[in-house]
Amino acid sequence: EIVMTQSPATLSVSPGERATLSCRASQSVSSNLAWYQQKPGQAPRLLIYGASTRATGIPARFSGSGSGTEFTLTISSLQSEDFAVYYCQQYNNWPQGTFGQGTKVEIK
Amino acid sequence: EVQLVESGGGLVQPGGSLRLSCAASGFTFSSYWMSWVRQAPGKGLEWVANIKQDGSEKYYVDSVKGRFTISRDNAKNSLYLQMNSLRAEDTAVYYCARDPPAAGGYSYGYFDYWGQGTLVTVSS
Repeated sequence: EIVMTQSPATLSVSPGERATLSCRASQSVSSNLAWYQQKPGQAPRLLIYGASTRATGIPARFSGSGSGTEFTLTISSLQSEDFAVYYCQQYNNWPQGTFGQGTKVEIK
Repeated sequence: EVQLVESGGGLVQPGGSLRLSCAASGFTFSSYWMSWVRQAPGKGLEWVANIKQDGSEKYYVDSVKGRFTISRDNAKNSLYLQMNSLRAEDTAVYYCARDPPAAGGYSYGYFDYWGQGTLVTVSS
């Protein structure tokens, strides 16, 4: 099983600031990496797939980068609606896709 | 508008059974692989099972093999998860999710639309 490790567990950021979230895979997953946003009581929402392609309707302030084992999700200027938990997911080992444990982005 | 609506969750005793349903609308259901993904209370996400467009291929996470069965009815635009021999560790919100199609008749493995989930609690 490919283990996905996200850091930090919690990120405290002020509105308008930049947030950088990290995700590391235990072995190479090429660019088969997705990012999701989840707000309390809601389903996850796809933000990024293919490590860097924004999903339909996702604002340009969200960007993804990386390949192999190291990936980053950047939110360029945090809006109030961006405070949530973010998960990365590898899907290189199809169909056994695995998720990271999540990074909570909270208001500083 | 793509919609996925789960139902069938509830409280069940250890060893019991439950059948979850997911009603799909707003897209051509029969053209997509579909998955179930679960989330234990306060925990992360875990892919559980997926099924090919015509139901001919099904895959499961090891922890549910032999206990859970995924199925679909394309005429009813519906996805199902039959859960038997339930354990406390199966307690979770179960989400129905759509797998975008990839080349060769498979899916990519990420999930572009999710339902709101249905809670399954296994407890005596």
